[in-house]
Amino acid sequence: GENVEQHPSTLSVQEGDSAVIKCTYSDSASNYFPWYKQELGKRPQLIIDIRSNVGEKKDQRIAVTLNKTAKHFSLHITETQPEDSAVYFCAASRGDSSYKLIFGSGTRLLVRP
Amino acid sequence: NAGVTQTPKFQVLKTGQSMTLQCAQDMNHNSMYWYRQDPGMGLRLIYYSASEGTTDKGEVPNGYNVSRLNKREFSLRLESAAPSQTSVYFCASSWGDRDTDTQYFGPGTRLTVL
Repeated sequence: GENVEQHPSTLSVQEGDSAVIKCTYSDSASNYFPWYKQELGKRPQLIIDIRSNVGEKKDQRIAVTLNKTAKHFSLHITETQPEDSAVYFCAASRGDSSYKLIFGSGTRLLVRP
Repeated sequence: NAGVTQTPKFQVLKTGQSMTLQCAQDMNHNSMYWYRQDPGMGLRLIYYSASEGTTDKGEVPNGYNVSRLNKREFSLRLESAAPSQTSVYFCASSWGDRDTDTQYFGPGTRLTVL
């Protein structure tokens, strides 16, 4: 079946450095790719998303890139801060309906002060 | 505007007991979802409701049932709880529109089955 693979599972960076999280998906009909941030004990919250007709999207220190040919997309966080420490999940819409999502297994990001 | 709310926040059950998790949204969303989150496995879809009056299975529906009571409310029922159902359960909602389908999550219910 369709799946989303996410790497790395854990990532530790120094404050101020950049962090990159990568995801690959299997359903070539997927057309919506959100990223969620989940702090410890809290709900997942959308931080950025991208649709298949766009190759890159930025929002301040966060950017997402999409390569539909290779079926992979990435989250880039620049100038990391301790409050960026959290678990990040990528997701891809199912090809049969863009309102059903398949989630990656998550990346635990630790930003060291 | 509370967004998506869930009750209870915590629950401990014994094997074989039943319970219903409640979810409500006040954003007038058409679609609602139930996920479970287990360590290292991300979020897995249990059931979803594309619109009021419809429900369908997700990736891991066994052992669960759902009811879309009205447009606002979507409940998840465990008829006979098993230790394998120990997890954190999240409800979510979205417009259900191909162009604006961001999902918003509730605060979660932490369930332990002994």
